Amino acid sequence: DTGVSQNPRHKITKRGQNVTFRCDPISEHNRLYWYRQTLGQGPEFLTYFQNEAQLEKSRLLSDRFSAERPKGSFSTLEIQRTEQGDSAMYLCASRASAEGGVLTFGAGSRLTVL
Amino acid sequence: QQQVKQSPQSLIVQKGGIPIINCAYENTAFDYFPWYQQFPGKGPALLIAIRPDVSEKKEGRFTISFNKSAKQFSLHIMDSQPGDSATYFCAASMGRGKLQFGAGTQVVVTP
Repeated sequence: DTGVSQNPRHKITKRGQNVTFRCDPISEHNRLYWYRQTLGQGPEFLTYFQNEAQLEKSRLLSDRFSAERPKGSFSTLEIQRTEQGDSAMYLCASRASAEGGVLTFGAGSRLTVL
Repeated sequence: QQQVKQSPQSLIVQKGGIPIINCAYENTAFDYFPWYQQFPGKGPALLIAIRPDVSEKKEGRFTISFNKSAKQFSLHIMDSQPGDSATYFCAASMGRGKLQFGAGTQVVVTP
């Protein structure tokens, strides 16, 4: 178990292109979260899965964003028709459902939209 | 709408000094208040956390002070070291997953 893994670590794309990020959580964690962090700001909650069910989505998650966790293990975050304002660090985090479960973050995937 | 306000934005202290970071919140339903430490190129890592029924919690050189009536909490880093130079975020939540973060404080500890 090497923690929460995110790929790719850095993606540079042109405006209008689609991008997909992958998150592999800690294996025994059934809860998975996506956050977005812009420069000089704290992370902002985007969405949350318990197993394969997406239980909550932030208003920050526009229709161009979609997240999946098909088998309750890894998750993907896709951004369609990227805009310059999408440039940010996308952080994945996971935690166990047991009381006291700590939210553990991955290193993030940095998106730069040109 | 920022639900957790953090200050200062940045802080420089000498080795051995005690950086203090302050946070304030509005939502009285929050029941979990963690602090995260983030180094450049890394994700945030949990440092220490407190619940509102406790006024102070210490873990190693890190101390959280919590004032429920004022809806404020703070982080003290005792005997700070250059390796403590990082960005620190306070956060609050009604559960342990969906966190509302402050804007962060960049702490620099000089040798």
